[in-house]
Amino acid sequence: GIQVEQSPPDLILQEGANSTLRCNFSDSVNNLQWFHQNPWGQLINLFYIPSGTKQNGRLSATTVATERYSLLYISSSQTTDSGVYFCAVAGAAGNKLTFGGGTRVLVKP
Amino acid sequence: DVKVTQSSRYLVKRTGEKVFLECVQDMDHENMFWYRQDPGLGLRLIYFSYDVKMKEKGDIPEGYSVSREKKERFSLILESASTNQTSMYLCASSLYGQGISPYEQYFGPGTRLTVT
Repeated sequence: GIQVEQSPPDLILQEGANSTLRCNFSDSVNNLQWFHQNPWGQLINLFYIPSGTKQNGRLSATTVATERYSLLYISSSQTTDSGVYFCAVAGAAGNKLTFGGGTRVLVKP
Repeated sequence: DVKVTQSSRYLVKRTGEKVFLECVQDMDHENMFWYRQDPGLGLRLIYFSYDVKMKEKGDIPEGYSVSREKKERFSLILESASTNQTSMYLCASSLYGQGISPYEQYFGPGTRLTVT
């Protein structure tokens, strides 16, 4: 099956800083999603981005499918950005997600 | 907005009990999924369903079964709960290959199950 690796595993930021999270995957994908897991365990959809670039407020994401990686950018970080960020991908069938190990982000005031 | 709800946020059961976890989605999605999340092991797919009465095993189906009698509802069943099934259980749903985000999955709030 597809392998998914996220880096870094942990990230500590000062409020207002910018950061980049990376997701590498081992095969071509039909689905790539970024999620933010809040302290209560809910997975919040950030981006559906099997290719290309998208932006939503202070967050943006880019997937370079030919090189098998995706990047999530957080700009002007806020304490509410703290939590775990997951990248998840699915191959040809598109409907069975494999999750990366996550990046745990802590934004300090 | 897509809404996926799960029957309980927290659940405590005894070893050997039969446990039902319920998931309901309101967006007429064909696909529904059950995952479990454990520290150090991440999120893993238990079962999924692509239509009423249809199911497929995921990566870790042992000890679980599922039921999908109606399109909007997907149940996860622990036939005889064991302590190693203590975990966070997450349900998700998605369309089947249609629309602008054809496979985007939406998750419920999760159920933290403790088996004692």
